[in-house]
Amino acid sequence: AAGVIQSPRHLIKEKRETATLKCYPIPRHDTVYWYQQGPGQDPQFLISFYEKMQSDKGSIPDRFSAQQFSDYHSELNMSSLELGDSALYFCANGNNEQFFGPGTRLTVL
Amino acid sequence: EDQVTQSPEALRLQEGESSSLNCSYTVSGLRGLFWYRQDPGKGPEFLFTLYSAGEEKEKERLKATLTKKESFLHITAPKPEDSATYLCAVNPGSGGYNKLIFGAGTRLAVHP
Repeated sequence: AAGVIQSPRHLIKEKRETATLKCYPIPRHDTVYWYQQGPGQDPQFLISFYEKMQSDKGSIPDRFSAQQFSDYHSELNMSSLELGDSALYFCANGNNEQFFGPGTRLTVL
Repeated sequence: EDQVTQSPEALRLQEGESSSLNCSYTVSGLRGLFWYRQDPGKGPEFLFTLYSAGEEKEKERLKATLTKKESFLHITAPKPEDSATYLCAVNPGSGGYNKLIFGAGTRLAVHP
């Protein structure tokens, strides 16, 4: 069965650079969630979209923004990167049960 | 404030030694409690959803139960391949949407 796809899988950036993470959801699932998981931490909700509209917002820094496109894929844009942004970023998909992608490991040097 | 607490933080078992993981929660309105398994560097893998007190779900060596204040994940006769971090999450049902609030997880190590 098709699963959630995320790209890139690994990303290395310098401080103050920008990064764009992409999420391709399971077909016919119109809700996307983004989570951030720091080293040794549990996943923290960042933001979600339903039918291309932002549906909820969590602990997402103002330096980050996200959107969902007409084909339901989503992008998380991160600017002015800081060392503390180094983490695993997961995209999840689903209407009640959430199915997680493999994640993007972002390392900020 | 919505909160999820898991215990123990870490658990070491011998192969075949059954045990239980605990997840206690405080939420304004529960719209589902979820168990996930996570291997290092990978995305959480969905295991179970529980919606109401008294509900139970089973899958292979795992059984999840739910009361009004907590959930248990029972592991019967575990094998080394069951070693992973087990995450509990709740959908607090606030705002009409489905964000998940996670506990810190229980790191399970099963030794042969």
